[in-house]
Amino acid sequence: DTAVSQTPKYLVTQMGNDKSIKCEQNLGHDTMYWYKQDSKKFLKIMFSYNNKELIINETVPNRFSPKSPDKAHLNLHINSLELGDSAVYFCASSPGLAGAQNREQYFGPGTRLTVT
Amino acid sequence: QQPVQSPQAVILREGEDAVINCSSSKALYSVHWYRQKHGEAPVFLMILLKGGEQKGHEKISASFNEKKQQSSLYLTASQLSYSGTYFCGTLGSGNTGKLIFGQGTTLQVKP
Repeated sequence: DTAVSQTPKYLVTQMGNDKSIKCEQNLGHDTMYWYKQDSKKFLKIMFSYNNKELIINETVPNRFSPKSPDKAHLNLHINSLELGDSAVYFCASSPGLAGAQNREQYFGPGTRLTVT
Repeated sequence: QQPVQSPQAVILREGEDAVINCSSSKALYSVHWYRQKHGEAPVFLMILLKGGEQKGHEKISASFNEKKQQSSLYLTASQLSYSGTYFCGTLGSGNTGKLIFGQGTTLQVKP
């Protein structure tokens, strides 16, 4: 039983293409996140949704568009891919925002995106 | 503002101890610790809250100095399985769940 799952695990594509990454959690959590981890392992939050509502929207190029069809799913669509988008993208979830200080986040296995 | 971790890397022998530090220039309300093994996802270790409350791992301990805006993770009698990159994450006041991670500390435990 995978708590937080992502597809695909690997994504190799050319510059200029559009791609999507999907995330699903079966933990019954209300909050989901997208993180980007670069080649230096720097882990940076991009977006978060709580019950399908956008909560965090960091300074990310608007080529990146998250979408949450329901609270168990959070997808990330990237338009016009650039070389600098190459990274590992992690989805995560947590029980909710109430008491967020005390809520651990559960990470998915990651999607390694390589743009050539 | 990103918290700063030190050291950047540590190499230990099995059974040795290590301390990883996390400092912030902003007031901290909680500090989260995660471990990431190579090629895997970060995994939750501990949460430390302002006021002294802790939540997390039985075999790993940590401290949180609110005045100094610092947290330290103590790995005692290290095992090979402790190898990985350790991240601290900090949250400000407010309930957005926005974790700002440090740059990571790579720990390698050798037999």
